[in-house]
Amino acid sequence: DAKTTQPNSMESNEEEPVHLPCNHSTISGTDYIHWYRQLPSQGPEYVIHGLTSNVNNRMASLAIAEDRKSSTLILHRATLRDAAVYYCILRDKDTGFQKLVFGTGTRLLVSP
Amino acid sequence: ETGVTQTPRHLVMGMTNKKSLKCEQHLGHNAMYWYKQSAKKPLELMFVYSLEERVENNSVPSRFSPECPNSSHLFLHLHTLQPEDSALYLCASSLHRGPTYEQYFGPGTRLTVT
Repeated sequence: DAKTTQPNSMESNEEEPVHLPCNHSTISGTDYIHWYRQLPSQGPEYVIHGLTSNVNNRMASLAIAEDRKSSTLILHRATLRDAAVYYCILRDKDTGFQKLVFGTGTRLLVSP
Repeated sequence: ETGVTQTPRHLVMGMTNKKSLKCEQHLGHNAMYWYKQSAKKPLELMFVYSLEERVENNSVPSRFSPECPNSSHLFLHLHTLQPEDSALYLCASSLHRGPTYEQYFGPGTRLTVT
C-alpha cells in the first residue's frame, strides 16, 4: 500500500473550518483516498473517500489535488465532538477485500 | 451505534488464562477483521475473514486464534498471553468486495494481561 504523510496534530476553535492535509506522492492511478477518524475511547469511523473529484457528504468535504499527490479533509464548522485522530488511507481498487493500513494520523484538538 | 458489537468491553486476564473475545455484526457484511491497537502505535491488522474463510493472517503469534463460524460472528481466542499483548482489540466488518465500501468498527475490547 502507498504511504501517506500527515501532521501529528492540529488545533482549531469551535465553529471554525478545519483543513486537514495529507500527502500521498506515491499514489497510483487505482488508489482511492479514504479518511477515517477515531474519537476517544471508540473504534475508528468512516468519514469520506474519493478517487479524483472533490467529494462532499454530511460529515465533511474532501478536496483532491489535480495531480492526486495530496488531499485535504475539510470540516466546515468544527465542533467539540470533532476532536479525534484523523487517518488518511489509500485503498487499491484492485484488492478484493478492504485492507486498511493505518498510519499515526493527525490528532485534532478543538477548543471552545 | 455502528452495527458492530464487541464483548466484553473490558477484560483482565492472567498469563495462564484462556479467554475469548466476541464480535457480532448486524449489517449483512461478508468480511470481518481483527485489529490490535497498542498504546502509542497505529492500528495493526491481525486477521481477515472473507465469506467465512481466513484470507489474511499478519504474522500473528499462535496464542491468538481466530474463529469465524458464520458471516455475522467473529471470535478471537486467547491463551497464554504476555503482558505486551495488553491493548485495545477492535473488530470491523465490510462488504466483501470493492474499495469504495467502508469498514464499520466496533467499540473494542480493552485487554489487560497481568
